[in-house]
Amino acid sequence: KNQVEQSPQSLIILEGKNCTLQCNYTVSPFSNLRWYKQDTGRGPVSLTIMTFSENTKSNGRYTATLDADTKQSSLHITASQLSDSASYICVVSARNNDMRFGAGTRLTVKP
Amino acid sequence: DGGITQSPKYLFRKEGQNVTLSCEQNLNHDAMYWYRQDPGQGLRLIYYSQIVNDFQKGDIAEGYSVSREKKESFPLTVTSAQKNPTAFYLCASSGGYNQPQHFGDGTRLSIL
Repeated sequence: KNQVEQSPQSLIILEGKNCTLQCNYTVSPFSNLRWYKQDTGRGPVSLTIMTFSENTKSNGRYTATLDADTKQSSLHITASQLSDSASYICVVSARNNDMRFGAGTRLTVKP
Repeated sequence: DGGITQSPKYLFRKEGQNVTLSCEQNLNHDAMYWYRQDPGQGLRLIYYSQIVNDFQKGDIAEGYSVSREKKESFPLTVTSAQKNPTAFYLCASSGGYNQPQHFGDGTRLSIL
């Protein structure tokens, strides 16, 4: 069964600190993996998208990594800001376009 | 500005009533999607449409219906057959394979 598991469920960090969010998946055959940021009461916004051949992709202070062998991805946030407080969602697509969403990690950045 | 517009932001439904959620996009995307988001769960696909006048059921289509008469519009009707409709509904569109989805800001549906 195609599934996406994210950890931790929630995380609290101090402004300026770094953090790493995890995503494990069983989706097969793998096509691509995306990370989205969702502010409370808003729709998700795309941060990165990685295909099988890519193992790292950056978008400003956000860096996503992908290990297709172990079926794991991480999202690293550098020098966190208060505006980074949001839910971060991992989405994995199979080659038949079946898309599976993780439940998200709720990040709170405190001053 | 290009994007997806969902309306209304909040919607209330009485028992036995059908309600329709609006989704409009001006991104010229062929594919459009409807998702339901419940606390602590990942988004679940209700319906999707790859092209005008065609749509397919997603994982949780029971109690919902859609239409795709225009490329820009993909309304979702929550029928009285949907027994647990309280949720946050998200509409999305995509420009193609391996392209990110663009989401609207959602409609929160509650039962009176």
